[in-house]
Amino acid sequence: QQPVQSPQAVILREGEDAVINCSSSKALYSVHWYRQKHGEAPVFLMILLKGGEQKGHEKISASFNEKKQQSSLYLTASQLSYSGTYFCGTEPRSGTGNQFYFGTGTSLTVIP
Amino acid sequence: NAGVTQTPKFRILKIGQSMTLQCTQDMNHNYMYWYRQDPGMGLKLIYYSVGAGITDKGEVPNGYNVSRSTTEDFPLRLELAAPSQTSVYFCASSYSGQGGQPQHFGDGTRLSIL
Repeated sequence: QQPVQSPQAVILREGEDAVINCSSSKALYSVHWYRQKHGEAPVFLMILLKGGEQKGHEKISASFNEKKQQSSLYLTASQLSYSGTYFCGTEPRSGTGNQFYFGTGTSLTVIP
Repeated sequence: NAGVTQTPKFRILKIGQSMTLQCTQDMNHNYMYWYRQDPGMGLKLIYYSVGAGITDKGEVPNGYNVSRSTTEDFPLRLELAAPSQTSVYFCASSYSGQGGQPQHFGDGTRLSIL
C-alpha cells in the first residue's frame, strides 16, 4: 500500500530544477505532499485531488495523473530552504476506510 | 495559536514498561492520527480517529491502544514497551478525511526503549 517515490535522493545547486515522483498501486482519491526538515515535523505543501489537477505553491508545483495513480512534484529555481525530505501521502479511493499512506521519501539537498 | 501539541518531547522507557503519549489540538479538527517514523524512513499510520468515540486501526497498530473521549485529545498508549517501538511518534489532525484536507503535525515524541 505504501507509495513508491523516486529518486531516493537528489543533490541540486541553487537555481536548478528537480522533479520528485510518487507512484501508487491503488486507485487514489488524493495525493498530499509534505516536506520534513531534519529533526522537525512534516509540513504540508499541497494536495492534489482526483481529476488530474495541478497546483502550485510559489516555485513548487505538482500534478496528479489519475489514470496512472502517479503524482509528480516540481521544484523550480531551487533555493537553499528547499532542502529536506519530501514525502507524498496517499488516500486510497475505497475499501480502506480513512487509511493514509506516506511514501518512502526523497531526500533533497540544495547546495550553494 | 498552539495547533497540535504533543507531550512529552523525549522519553526513555525500559522494556515492559507502559506509558501514554499525549496529543491535543485546538483547531476543532474531527480527524486525528498517530504515526511512527523510524530513522530514515517514512511515516506509518498506527491509529486514527474520525471523531470523539470513534477510532480505527492503521497500518501498524500492534502493541498500541488509543481512545478519543473528546474532540481535542487523542492519547496513544503503549502497554508493554518493546525495543521495536523505539521511534519518533507524530500526532496529526485534519478538519476531515477524504476531501483533500491537509494534516497538521505536532512536533513529535522521541521514544527510546532500552
